Amino acid sequence: QSVLTQPPSASGTPGQRVSISCSGSSSNIGTNIVNWYQQLPGTAPKLLIYSSNQRPSGVPDRFSGSKSGTSASLAISGLQSEDEADYYCAAWDDSLNGYVFGPGTKVTVL
Amino acid sequence: QVQLVEFGGGVVQPGRSLRLSCATSGFSFYTYPMHWVRQSPGKGLEWVAGTSYDGSKKYYTDSVKGRFTVSGDSFKKTLFLQMNSLRAEDTAVYYCARGRNFHDSSGPDYWGQGTLVTVSS
Repeated sequence: QSVLTQPPSASGTPGQRVSISCSGSSSNIGTNIVNWYQQLPGTAPKLLIYSSNQRPSGVPDRFSGSKSGTSASLAISGLQSEDEADYYCAAWDDSLNGYVFGPGTKVTVL
Repeated sequence: QVQLVEFGGGVVQPGRSLRLSCATSGFSFYTYPMHWVRQSPGKGLEWVAGTSYDGSKKYYTDSVKGRFTVSGDSFKKTLFLQMNSLRAEDTAVYYCARGRNFHDSSGPDYWGQGTLVTVSS
């Protein structure tokens, strides 16, 4: 049972906008930065968003992140077939004294 | 460029030990936090252990405390995960990852390709 909560799945047609929520608490998202990771099938995770809303070099601006209080969200605009992947939110947890991942959200492009 | 390569996975019997290695290059070791993250077959990511940027602090998830030990060798630029008293539920792909900046809480940015550990009799 993860301390971060995400919906198990999300879907959209090409070109649509998809949003994924991540709910936590004051000991993790409420206090620390949130990262988002993309994991394509059969590959290692890749940092997609850091510090809640920053994109690493090379990540398309179709991906955006936000944070408010103890919740965060990832938005994918202009959905493309190559965006089919699992997406994980993550943050440091001060109570657990460790890093925590959400359970992941599988994005399907219809 | 930053590279992380894990070694040491394999099949091991329950109760036995295994040591994973993560060879790093492209950055100065002991200037970034380091992490071990695992993924059981068909499951999500689970953070296992980590070190502070200088290696002085070690962190573990509850399920591995007392069984796993994370350490590093700055000369060899290698991170290790010593896993003792292995259980079937430790079966997973183990990823080595580098923290994004010197803050312990920054989270991983670069990841290795992973190494599979299977605990089975």
